[in-house]
Amino acid sequence: DTGVSQNPRHKITKRGQNVTFRCDPISEHNRLYWYRQTLGQGPEFLTYFQNEAQLEKSRLLSDRFSAERPKGSFSTLEIQRTEQGDSAMYLCASSLGPEGAQYFGPGTRLLVL
Amino acid sequence: RKEVEQDPGPFNVPEGATVAFNCTYSNSASQSFFWYRQDCRKEPKLLMSVYSSGNEDGRFTAQLNRASQYISLLIRDSKLSDSATYLCVANDYKLSFGAGTTVTVRA
Repeated sequence: DTGVSQNPRHKITKRGQNVTFRCDPISEHNRLYWYRQTLGQGPEFLTYFQNEAQLEKSRLLSDRFSAERPKGSFSTLEIQRTEQGDSAMYLCASSLGPEGAQYFGPGTRLLVL
Repeated sequence: RKEVEQDPGPFNVPEGATVAFNCTYSNSASQSFFWYRQDCRKEPKLLMSVYSSGNEDGRFTAQLNRASQYISLLIRDSKLSDSATYLCVANDYKLSFGAGTTVTVRA
């Protein structure tokens, strides 16, 4: 399977714990994006990378959130001191260049109790 | 104001019917546009790109009006499998999604 993959697919955690999600993009894609989606809404942009450089972060991304793409391949999204409001689907996408269509992974569904 | 606004529907249509819906976008600098389809609890999947000249992909026709900042999608000869949420997307290096239009095709 050469699509975007994400792990884990589901994560249940207690408030205050840290969680980390991983995304493996389509191999030739140089751009990688993170989005968050809650019920009844479209995905909301969080951040994106071109190769290993993080080029923009949304104001939705508080200082508890950090993302990395150390070698320009896979990326991780970490949430520290999780809150119940962090419960959402976290989606990763990749594209070839800025105007290319973005292809999404299956998402990581986070539930913070 | 959201960057992309869509009629949420739902549109409930019989098999074989034609259904059309649209969205508007606020960022005139958006470079490209797409329709994505999302099934319940799944990730968005690219349905089609949208070009100014209008484009078709089988039973699906998309139109873009840059002057009015308006995008449309028309589905002909609806199938049960077309039931989904359709997301309108404007791309200015990051994707701005509408909240989605829900379409239900009934037998």
